Amino acid sequence: GAGVSQSPSNKVTEKGKDVELRCDPISGHTALYWYRQSLGQGLEFLIYFQGNSAPDKSGLPSDRFSAERTGGSVSTLTIQRTQQEDSAVYLCASSLADLGGETQYFGPGTRLLVL
Amino acid sequence: AQSVTQPDIHITVSEGASLELRCNYSYGATPYLFWYVQSPGQGLQLLLKYFSGDTLVQGIKGFEAEFKRSQSSFNLRKPSVHWSDAAEYFCAVAAVSGGYNKLIFGAGTRLAVHP
Repeated sequence: GAGVSQSPSNKVTEKGKDVELRCDPISGHTALYWYRQSLGQGLEFLIYFQGNSAPDKSGLPSDRFSAERTGGSVSTLTIQRTQQEDSAVYLCASSLADLGGETQYFGPGTRLLVL
Repeated sequence: AQSVTQPDIHITVSEGASLELRCNYSYGATPYLFWYVQSPGQGLQLLLKYFSGDTLVQGIKGFEAEFKRSQSSFNLRKPSVHWSDAAEYFCAVAAVSGGYNKLIFGAGTRLAVHP
């Protein structure tokens, strides 16, 4: 079956511009996660969705970052006024439920480069 | 606070040799532990996971891992490495809070395989 998909696969933007990153989770998965992978920080958690609500936004690095999820499916991560330190690979994952230890399935990521 | 340490940043082995990748975790309760593999330009693929029960866990691609509570370790092993195993390997612990989990990752170990 189809896995987690993300778009675009690559994004190059200029400093100060806004970007939107999209995640399509596996159908029927209620939990959705965003992670960021960067050279300096490794893999770090950003935000978690259960359905359309986000009980945990603790990993968002600043108020320039926001995310939403609609219809319990597609999620969009928005970065406003991008900075060079935002350059990273943004990974989305989904799981069937939000039980402890439930397997998270990852998408291929969006590689963001801020010039 | 929960944390994961992968002491080896880079490992090189010959094809056909055995492999052990180290992982140490810090977590207050019984942990949920995972090993993921990331090939260049790809997302993360789950190799195996530990929830409870048998401390020796079998995964895909011939990998196994052993949970040792006394050593706070969850090392990944493979008896005979193939050239296609060259990739980056991440150990993770699920920080379970409020009924859901977010993954705390180690820094990763990059595996190179010599022919």
